Amino acid sequence: DADVTQTPRNRITKTGKRIMLECSQTKGHDRMYWYRQDPGLGLRLIYYSFDVKDINKGEISDGYSVSRQAQAKFSLSLESAIPNQTALYFCATSDLTGVGQETQYFGPGTRLLVL
Amino acid sequence: AQKVTQAQTEISVVEKEDVTLDCVYETRDTTYYLFWYKQPPSGELVFLIRRNSFDEQNEISGRYSWNFQKSTSSFNFTITASQVVDSAVYFCALSEAGRDDKIIFGKGTRLHILP
Repeated sequence: DADVTQTPRNRITKTGKRIMLECSQTKGHDRMYWYRQDPGLGLRLIYYSFDVKDINKGEISDGYSVSRQAQAKFSLSLESAIPNQTALYFCATSDLTGVGQETQYFGPGTRLLVL
Repeated sequence: AQKVTQAQTEISVVEKEDVTLDCVYETRDTTYYLFWYKQPPSGELVFLIRRNSFDEQNEISGRYSWNFQKSTSSFNFTITASQVVDSAVYFCALSEAGRDDKIIFGKGTRLHILP
């Protein structure tokens, strides 16, 4: 089984609709992230969470919200989807330790199309 | 200002050749982190390495090696004895200490390994 799962894998929605992308992990990591990737570009950070009670905005949080329901679950919501939120969305976890070593684990991605 | 430059947009090499992907970064911080990621044609994202700015030791992992040189602000990635499965887009990225909300990606280098 995959360490980080995302649902749905693909989604088509209309402008103005509210949608939720879900992420679950079995790694037992405290740190979780949501990124978006636009065609031909690298990732941009939307939100991140360092534990269940810690939620932080990333570089491009406008138009998005998140919920950390449990250590294993981190959901991303688009309250009112707009076409420029069409992108590939990745959830990730990391095992950053006190000595600064880190490995990141990514979900398979969710392709979102907003019409 | 932070910036990551991957000057090689696309590279093609024949299988078993060695190939080096260049990454040049700009930052005013003395503490920062550098990353490499792989994105195969399937679209998933694979974390390869995270390097702390205080650790200039070169890293080797199997056929992969990384050369970090602060004097030239470069963090280059070499694949030895390339294989077709190495074909992917490779991204270099930078984040600064205390700036967990932002990670700067280069535009990526598309690597084709020809059989």
